[in-house]
Amino acid sequence: QSALTQPASVSGSPGQSITISCTGTSSDVGSYNLLSWYQQHPGKAPKLIIYDVSKRPSGVSNRFSGSKSGNTASLIISGLQAEDEADYYCSSYAGSSTPWVFGGGTKLTVL
Amino acid sequence: QITLKESGPTLVKPTQTLTLTCTFSGFSLTTHGVSVGWVRQPPGKALEWLALIYWDDDKRFSPSLKNRLTITKDTSKNQVVLTMTNMDPVDTATYYCARRDYGSGALDYWGQGNLVTVSS
Repeated sequence: QSALTQPASVSGSPGQSITISCTGTSSDVGSYNLLSWYQQHPGKAPKLIIYDVSKRPSGVSNRFSGSKSGNTASLIISGLQAEDEADYYCSSYAGSSTPWVFGGGTKLTVL
Repeated sequence: QITLKESGPTLVKPTQTLTLTCTFSGFSLTTHGVSVGWVRQPPGKALEWLALIYWDDDKRFSPSLKNRLTITKDTSKNQVVLTMTNMDPVDTATYYCARRDYGSGALDYWGQGNLVTVSS
């Protein structure tokens, strides 16, 4: 059982926007803004797409955005494209003894 | 350009010890704040953090696996080595190494992964 809770799947049509939630506790998501999101295509390594809740690494599309409220973080993907179809994982810092806790992952299907 | 690459066996037998090497370039594990971690992913399942080693040789381990894990670094070779004892079929997974960004704590660069199957 993963430490952070994500929906198993979400779907959307091209051009639409979708939101993936990531729920933790006051010991991880709720306590730190060190929340990141990773995109993983089949057979590939994860790729960092959001860090510090809402910052994008260089080269990541501005269609990806993030937010957080309390113990729940969200990844928003706007203007869905076929290439966005992938698995998405959230991760949070949970203290010096536990640098990361991961979510269970969400499969995004672009219809 | 920052790159990381995992190397090691693709098949190990139950009860054996797994040794994986992460060879990296484009950064140094002697630089203040730099750290390298290991994450695994069983087939079709989620990511799971395993271990982390810092530039100053401080180490962190997943609580559920800490008794089985060792992590070391060789700064002269730009390598980080992970060992996991008493392997079991449930440890079958792709093992990734990744660099941890100092400021955000995020894993900003990943290796391609090394699929390890545990089977007799």
